[in-house]
Amino acid sequence: EVQLVESGGGLVQPGGSLRLSCAVSGFTFSDHFMEWVRQAPGKGLEWVGRCRNKADSYTTEYAASVKGRFTISRDDSKNSLYLQMNSLKTEDTAVYYCSRDLETAHGMDVWGQGTTVTVSS
Amino acid sequence: DIQLTQSPSFVSASVGDRVTITCRASQGMSSYLAWYQQKPGKAPKLLIYTTSILQSGVPSRFSGSGSGTEFTLTISSLRPEDFATYYCQQLDSYPLTFGGGTKVEIK
Repeated sequence: EVQLVESGGGLVQPGGSLRLSCAVSGFTFSDHFMEWVRQAPGKGLEWVGRCRNKADSYTTEYAASVKGRFTISRDDSKNSLYLQMNSLKTEDTAVYYCSRDLETAHGMDVWGQGTTVTVSS
Repeated sequence: DIQLTQSPSFVSASVGDRVTITCRASQGMSSYLAWYQQKPGKAPKLLIYTTSILQSGVPSRFSGSGSGTEFTLTISSLRPEDFATYYCQQLDSYPLTFGGGTKVEIK
């Protein structure tokens, strides 16, 4: 069964850091681009960033709102995707989802259940 | 950046109705537009990608069309399980962006 499981969410103070993980199973992780998408309470979806696969040198892209503060990485040997979040702001409060790209990278076909990050003093 | 504007933002419809949701891009784009369905407390589900390709397992009452700056998602005959929020997403250029969402509610 194809599965993505996020972890690492929690309560953090403004200015703090948090590292989210996404453990994947049931497919060849190394073949796929992976994404982070977030959803603030009661709001719509916001793309956070993308991590390409080994064939594309694991390069990354980010939304302007997180660029320079967030870093996406992956460890294909551990079938895991990561989101390192630094200098957190209250507006980063959201449910964070990891997702798998289609092999064409033109849609996100598998999603995790999400992990909640709350930034508050 | 490509901004996506969905309309309507809210639609009240009955089972069996035909529902059309529009997604307008702020500039002309390729066909790399996807549609997702999200139910409360759940992760989004991919319905359609590349404007009109139905994702495996998605019922054929869902269809997508469009080009340039205007794209549509149509549900031909609404079923009870289709009441949800729908989002478009462009994967044409960075940053990838989502529309604001359209909530489909029971009339």
